[in-house]
Amino acid sequence: GAGVSQSPRYKVAKRGQDVALRCDPISGHVSLFWYQQALGQGPEFLTYFQNEAQLDKSGLPSDRFFAERPEGSVSTLKIQRTQQEDSAVYLCASSPRSSGVTDTQYFGPGTRLTVL
Amino acid sequence: GENVEQHPSTLSVQEGDSAVIKCTYSDSASNYFPWYKQELGKGPQLIIDIRSNVGEKKDQRIAVTLNKTAKHFSLHITETQPEDSAVYFCAAIPSGSARQLTFGSGTQLTVLP
Repeated sequence: GAGVSQSPRYKVAKRGQDVALRCDPISGHVSLFWYQQALGQGPEFLTYFQNEAQLDKSGLPSDRFFAERPEGSVSTLKIQRTQQEDSAVYLCASSPRSSGVTDTQYFGPGTRLTVL
Repeated sequence: GENVEQHPSTLSVQEGDSAVIKCTYSDSASNYFPWYKQELGKGPQLIIDIRSNVGEKKDQRIAVTLNKTAKHFSLHITETQPEDSAVYFCAAIPSGSARQLTFGSGTQLTVLP
């Protein structure tokens, strides 16, 4: 079946612009995660949703970052007033269940954001 | 919080040789340890994982070992092939967390033909 998809794959923004990054998780997956991956580094956690509820946003670097998942499927990560340090690959991952045994997280291809 | 250290950062092997990547973690409550392979321009792909109730797991040419006492785990790839060339990340999830992964810094594996 289809995996996690993300759009756009590449985004170039001028400093100060707002951007919106979309994630389509695997159908039926309850949990959704956003990670930020700087060049040459491992992904770092941003935020976590269980269905439509945002249960953890401790990794969001500033109040310019906002994520939502209003209907418990598609999620959008929004970055306001982008800065050069926001340049990174933004990865979305989903997993099937919300509790019990820790599930595999399946990653999308990422959105590469470049802020000029 | 959890801290995962990974080494080496780069590894070159001849085709057919074995490759070993090692990770240590800090949180003794961590109970799930996946390994991901990331090719250029793609997202991380799970290749193998291990839970804290087992010490070793194998899947064809790939194996992972876990030493809970020492808080370290390793990835072993045997009979390496050029298509194994990629960046490999280890990760851990502490028990009781929101299940976010904490990743190591990655190992660039190059398999020379």
